[in-house]
Amino acid sequence: QQQVKQSPQSLIVQKGGISIINCAYENTAFDYFPWYQQFPGKGPALLIAIRPDVSEKKEGRFTISFNKSAKQFSLHIMDSQPGDSATYFCAASGRGAQKLVFGQGTRLTINP
Amino acid sequence: DSGVTQTPKHLITATGQRVTLRCSPRSGDLSVYWYQQSLDQGLQFLIQYYNGEERAKGNILERFSAQQFPDLHSELNLSSLELGDSALYFCASSVVGGRVNEQFFGPGTRLTVL
Repeated sequence: QQQVKQSPQSLIVQKGGISIINCAYENTAFDYFPWYQQFPGKGPALLIAIRPDVSEKKEGRFTISFNKSAKQFSLHIMDSQPGDSATYFCAASGRGAQKLVFGQGTRLTINP
Repeated sequence: DSGVTQTPKHLITATGQRVTLRCSPRSGDLSVYWYQQSLDQGLQFLIQYYNGEERAKGNILERFSAQQFPDLHSELNLSSLELGDSALYFCASSVVGGRVNEQFFGPGTRLTVL
């Protein structure tokens, strides 16, 4: 019940295209759903996050779509750029300051 | 730069040894989390401290321990090291309070056990 399942494991997108990464969770007590971006040799960096009381959140080229009934959420990267090539992790946590449960990660490659 | 600092950046040691990883949280953050990142297990939560007190434990081995000091920096102690302990160890910090759980990660310590 603590798992967060992420897909795909790897993704190749052409420059200018839309990158889509999906996550699913089981624990209905999860209350916060962030996405992290990690470059090689660096720590995960918080990219964007959503709470279950909204269905979509957009920040620049990055959008989270959230489907509470399906217990799924996804990250959309519009106009993908080579600089977006990184590993992306979805995560979930309960209310308040609690541990993050991470998906397995998606290695995104944007071809120029 | 997340504002979370970790030292050392790299650590190479032998099996059976003991090491200490250090983390300084962002200014004002009371909560510190330790995570382990390995190729086969992904990012796994180890332990959380809040204002000096242990708050939650995850998949942390008995050979591992941690503490948070009065100045809020934290140390993760790994003993009787095994080859399988080779991994990236991340510290994250967050402000406690409210419904948002924004955790900011440090640059990590890469531990290699030979």
